[in-house]
Amino acid sequence: QSVLTQPPSVSAAPGQKVTISCSGGSSNIGNNYVTWYQQLPGTAPKLLIYENNKRPSGIPDRFSGSKSGTSGTLAITGLQTGDEADYYCGTWDSSLNGGVFGGGTKLTVL
Amino acid sequence: EVQLVESGGGLIQPGGSLRLSCASSAFIVSSNYMGWVRQAPGKGLEWVSVIYRGTRTYYADSVRGRFTISRDNSKNTVFLQMNSLRADDTAVYYCARIDPDRSGHVADYWGQGTLVSVSS
Repeated sequence: QSVLTQPPSVSAAPGQKVTISCSGGSSNIGNNYVTWYQQLPGTAPKLLIYENNKRPSGIPDRFSGSKSGTSGTLAITGLQTGDEADYYCGTWDSSLNGGVFGGGTKLTVL
Repeated sequence: EVQLVESGGGLIQPGGSLRLSCASSAFIVSSNYMGWVRQAPGKGLEWVSVIYRGTRTYYADSVRGRFTISRDNSKNTVFLQMNSLRADDTAVYYCARIDPDRSGHVADYWGQGTLVSVSS
């Protein structure tokens, strides 16, 4: 059971927009920034979004993040087949005194 | 460019020990936060252990007392000593750098992963 809760799967058609939610509590998302990672099949995770809504160099602006209260959201617009991957949210948890992840969301581009 | 390279994984019997290594070609490990994340087959990501600047460390409850994280500054390498291994430790183990200048425990660089299989 992950500390952060994500939907197991989402799907949308190419060119459409999809959002992935990440729900936590006051000890984690409520008082910390949200990070998002993309894991393509058979590869290591890759940093996608940090500090709620910032993109590392090289990440296209089709990917965006937001946070409200104890939840974070990843939005992907202009979906491409190459976006099919598992997406994980993460943050710091002050009760556990360590990093935590969501359970992951599998994105299917139909 | 390759920045973090893990090694040391393999097949081990329950109760055995393994030591994973993570060599950095681009970061000075002693100046960064370095961690290990594992992913069991078909499952999600889990923080296993982190070593911060100085001597502060973190361990997941599931490995505390069995795993030890350390670093060798002369080799610019981080290690994860895993003892009393159990079947549920079977996973791909990733080494990751946690950016100390970003908030939220941000792992910005990852190794390719090394597979640990615990089975008789």
